[in-house]
Amino acid sequence: AQKITQTQPGMFVQEKEAVTLDCTYDTSDQSYGLFWYKQPSSGEMIFLIYQGSYDEQNATEGRYSLNFQKARKSANLVISASQLGDSAMYFCAMSPSGGYQKVTFGTGTKLQVIP
Amino acid sequence: NAGVTQTPKFQVLKTGQSMTLQCAQDMNHEYMSWYRQDPGMGLRLIHYSVGAGITDQGEVPNGYNVSRSTTEDFPLRLLSAAPSQTSVYFCASSQWGQSRDTEAFFGQGTRLTVV
Repeated sequence: AQKITQTQPGMFVQEKEAVTLDCTYDTSDQSYGLFWYKQPSSGEMIFLIYQGSYDEQNATEGRYSLNFQKARKSANLVISASQLGDSAMYFCAMSPSGGYQKVTFGTGTKLQVIP
Repeated sequence: NAGVTQTPKFQVLKTGQSMTLQCAQDMNHEYMSWYRQDPGMGLRLIHYSVGAGITDQGEVPNGYNVSRSTTEDFPLRLLSAAPSQTSVYFCASSQWGQSRDTEAFFGQGTRLTVV
């Protein structure tokens, strides 16, 4: 069974600063995928970034990067140069296959960006 | 591009009533899934399908039924609604695979209240 743990229910960050959202996971699978999604107050789910368990380099997508530490089973999301539009819920998730199937989500972190 | 279309967006049911949440995708995706989102609990997998005629249970299947007669459609049926099924429901679809190319696309969600 997979488990995702997000220990930060809420966080504040000053506009233009960087912020790290924590995510740890537990799985017995050798091959798996890790994802981050953003959910603004409007409710839609927005895919941000993906990391495969066999990817040697940390994933990056624009201002988002995933700090993947396999031995520690952590997959933290780093948002650089925070913007007001980054205020949202952020969910860490994983799948047992590496692709998007049977995904398990964490409980989320609510990020608020302060002007 | 329509992507993933969920209907209705909002619904109020009385306890004991049945209804079907509709989900349709136009991307020819093999994999489709239903999640429910409750406050403080993230998204939890209800049922999923890997292709027409093939469905399986997720983490919280009780009280829900699904079928997949076509690639495009994946309806979720509530057999006898209970207040515990008050939630926001998301449908998602993706290609089947084990890579970042299998990014999931989410519908806009259905907010269901059972009174």
